[in-house]
Amino acid sequence: EVQLVESGGGLVQPGGSLRLSCAVSGFTFSSYWMHWVRQAPGKGLVWVSHIKSDGSSINYADSVKGRFTISRDTAKNTLYLQMNSLRVEDTAVYYCARGLQGDVWGQGTTVTVSS
Amino acid sequence: QSALTQPASVSGSPGQSITISCTGTSSDVGGYKYVSWYQQHPGKVPKLMIYDVSSRPSGVSNRFSGSKSGNTASLTISGLQAEDEADYYCSSYTSSNTRVFGGGTKLTVL
Repeated sequence: EVQLVESGGGLVQPGGSLRLSCAVSGFTFSSYWMHWVRQAPGKGLVWVSHIKSDGSSINYADSVKGRFTISRDTAKNTLYLQMNSLRVEDTAVYYCARGLQGDVWGQGTTVTVSS
Repeated sequence: QSALTQPASVSGSPGQSITISCTGTSSDVGGYKYVSWYQQHPGKVPKLMIYDVSSRPSGVSNRFSGSKSGNTASLTISGLQAEDEADYYCSSYTSSNTRVFGGGTKLTVL
């Protein structure tokens, strides 16, 4: 069974850092693009970042560029999102999603940025 | 990276057909075949309904169909059912090698 399981969310003060993880199973991780997408409370989906299957192509939404870093560890079948200089507006549920079209999503992990 | 434009809400009666539009630019929707549609029920994870403009993943009802004309993509749901009531989001690849979502459309089944 294909599974994506996010972890690492929590409550953090503005300016703080968090590292999200997305552990995958049931498919060949190294063959797929992966994405991070977030959803603020009561709001719509917003694309955050993606990374190519081999890590050779990475990009970010303007709102997180320079603050967030996406990476992947094929040996651990895990996708990461390092989030630095967090802002109140980064508060959201963060989802990882598989593939160019996002055909499988994790259940999400909640990040709350508040003082 | 402006969001794609979707109507905030649409509604229809059971058995009817509805269409949700998703308008972008030649740098996203109009320039690529990589348009997807997602369904999200309250408190649930988004589910892929359409990819590559008009392809359906296995297991998705053939009542769901997608199309594109110029810079506007569309999702049509025929034979509307109560279980279709949800939020729907379009997404497109962009010329900047990023992705962009629409603002979402709330579908109400009357």
